[in-house]
Amino acid sequence: EVQVVESGGGLVQPGRSLRLSCSTSGFTIGDYLINWVRQAPGKGLEWLGFIRTKTYGGTTECAASVKGRFSISRDDSKGIAYLQMNNLKTEDTAVYYCTRHRHAYNWFDYWGPGTLVTVSS
Amino acid sequence: QSALTQPRSVSGSPGQSVTISCTGTSSDVGGYNYVSWYQQHPGKVPKLIIFDVTKRPSGVPDRFSGSKSDNTASLTISGLQAEDEADYYCCSFAVTSTFVFGTGTEVTVL
Repeated sequence: EVQVVESGGGLVQPGRSLRLSCSTSGFTIGDYLINWVRQAPGKGLEWLGFIRTKTYGGTTECAASVKGRFSISRDDSKGIAYLQMNNLKTEDTAVYYCTRHRHAYNWFDYWGPGTLVTVSS
Repeated sequence: QSALTQPRSVSGSPGQSVTISCTGTSSDVGGYNYVSWYQQHPGKVPKLIIFDVTKRPSGVPDRFSGSKSDNTASLTISGLQAEDEADYYCCSFAVTSTFVFGTGTEVTVL
């Protein structure tokens, strides 16, 4: 069974950093791009970025809104992807989801339950 | 990349049809046949219901259908049912090798 589970959320002060994890099982993570999507309270979905597979260089693409502050990495040996968030702002408060897609199959079929990040002093 | 434009809300009676539009640009919706749609019930995780503009994943009822014309994609729910009351989001692949979601539409079953 495909499983995707986010962890690492919590309360953090503005300006601090936080790293979220996306733990996967039930599929070969190395065959998939891993995406991060967030949803602020009462708001819509916002795509943040993805990391390509090692076959495609393991490079990343990020939304302009978080470029330079957020970065994505992966450890296929552990089945985990990460979202490193630096210089957090109050507007980064959201539920953060991890999801996957395959190259040239541009849709997100499995989503984790999400992890809540609250940025507040 | 600006969010794709969706109506804030649509409503219909059980059995009726409703259509949700998703307007982008030639750099996203109009440039690729990579529009997907997601259904999200309150407090729940988004669920894929349409991919590649018109295709339905296994298990998704055939009352959900998708289409596209130029820079606008559409999701139609035919034979509206109470359990279809939810938020719906479109998503498109974009020229910058990124993705962009729509602003979201709340569907109310009267």
